[in-house]
Amino acid sequence: AQKVTQAQTEISVVEKEDVTLDCVYETRDTTYYLFWYKQPPSGELVFLIRRNSFDEQNEISGRYSWNFQKSTSSFNFTITASQVVDSAVYFCALSEVPTGANSKLTFGKGITLSVRP
Amino acid sequence: GAVVSQHPSRVICKSGTSVKIECRSLDFQATTMFWYRQFPKKSLMLMATSNEGSKATYEQGVEKDKFLINHASLTLSTLTVTSAHPEDSSFYICSARNRDEFFGQGTRLTVV
Repeated sequence: AQKVTQAQTEISVVEKEDVTLDCVYETRDTTYYLFWYKQPPSGELVFLIRRNSFDEQNEISGRYSWNFQKSTSSFNFTITASQVVDSAVYFCALSEVPTGANSKLTFGKGITLSVRP
Repeated sequence: GAVVSQHPSRVICKSGTSVKIECRSLDFQATTMFWYRQFPKKSLMLMATSNEGSKATYEQGVEKDKFLINHASLTLSTLTVTSAHPEDSSFYICSARNRDEFFGQGTRLTVV
């Protein structure tokens, strides 16, 4: 069985602060994919990143960066210099096999990030 | 990223009626689509996997006769909530998969 744990439920920061969203996962598979999605108040889920289990390189995309540590089964997400528009619910997710037709996504419970002006 | 369109975004219906929600992949063909349900301040719960040309695969505890799924083409899946009741009120969201999974805008269903 696979599991995604996002221990933080709500985080509130002031604009321009850096913030890290934690994600810890459990799986028996040696090959898997990890994802982060953003859900703004409007409701749609916005794809942010997919990382496969063989690639432990950290990734940076603008103000976003991801730290994948296989040794600790973590895939943390950092937003640098946060902005009000970053306010949303962020979900970490795990796919049990490489994204084939019927592999399912297991979601964490989500972290509500509020960025205050 | 890919575009998945879900319609309607909001619907209010009377108890006992049926509601159909459409999910379209606009720029790729999706042999597989997924339907999720999300309760307020909760995570997404997978309801079913919709396969083009075949019957949907439902998750445990999801009533097949209540939540009818049809995936008639490679770009369209529909979810029909039959004989809706107030407890069916929720946020329903679909996704379509090519290499990654892309989500629709979601449908807020309110049954009165």
